[in-house]
Amino acid sequence: DAGVIQSPRHEVTEMGQEVTLRCKPISGHNSLFWYRQTMMRGLELLIYFNNNVPIDDSGMPEDRFSAKMPNASFSTLKIQPSEPRDSAVYFCASSNGRKLFFGSGTQLSVL
Amino acid sequence: GENVEQHPSTLSVQEGDSAVIKCTYSDSASNYFPWYKQELGKRPQLIIDIRSNVGEKKDQRIAVTLNKTAKHFSLHITETQPEDSAVYFCAATYLGSNTGKLIFGQGTTLQVKP
Repeated sequence: DAGVIQSPRHEVTEMGQEVTLRCKPISGHNSLFWYRQTMMRGLELLIYFNNNVPIDDSGMPEDRFSAKMPNASFSTLKIQPSEPRDSAVYFCASSNGRKLFFGSGTQLSVL
Repeated sequence: GENVEQHPSTLSVQEGDSAVIKCTYSDSASNYFPWYKQELGKRPQLIIDIRSNVGEKKDQRIAVTLNKTAKHFSLHITETQPEDSAVYFCAATYLGSNTGKLIFGQGTTLQVKP
């Protein structure tokens, strides 16, 4: 298995633009998680899905953030409009109910 | 809900010395405790885990201990090497929920000086 696959690896955009981050979980995993990592806040859980259903989105910072999981093999995290304070590394992770595996992350820079 | 506290936030040791990172958790129902290592610019990777039915687990130079009564668990790295330098995260969860949601500690930056 190729592991959790995220794209793009790096994204540089201007304030106000829409940003879409993509994730393909490990096949057979029933849970998918979106994390944001910054120096100040560490690893923050934004939202997670179980069997494609959003279970807890209490970590989503604002209405500018939205996430979808239309099927078991794909999820997106969208920021619209983006702001400089959204600059961070965004990790997707998937789990089989026990072990959690992270993707390589998307380094987002909002100028 | 579960809360995990981790310390120290930074740790500097000489190569060859041991390093210990400690975590406490709040939810007595938690029964699975993994540790992740994140090298600079890389993803967090699982290095060792322990379930609540055992008190200690070892894998070469790393070991994890668990005290369920005190709700403490610790990571021990012996004979540290420069490649052990990284950020280490502890985590806790209840496996019965079947979601795999982990509650992470704040992380410990370990520096091993050659």
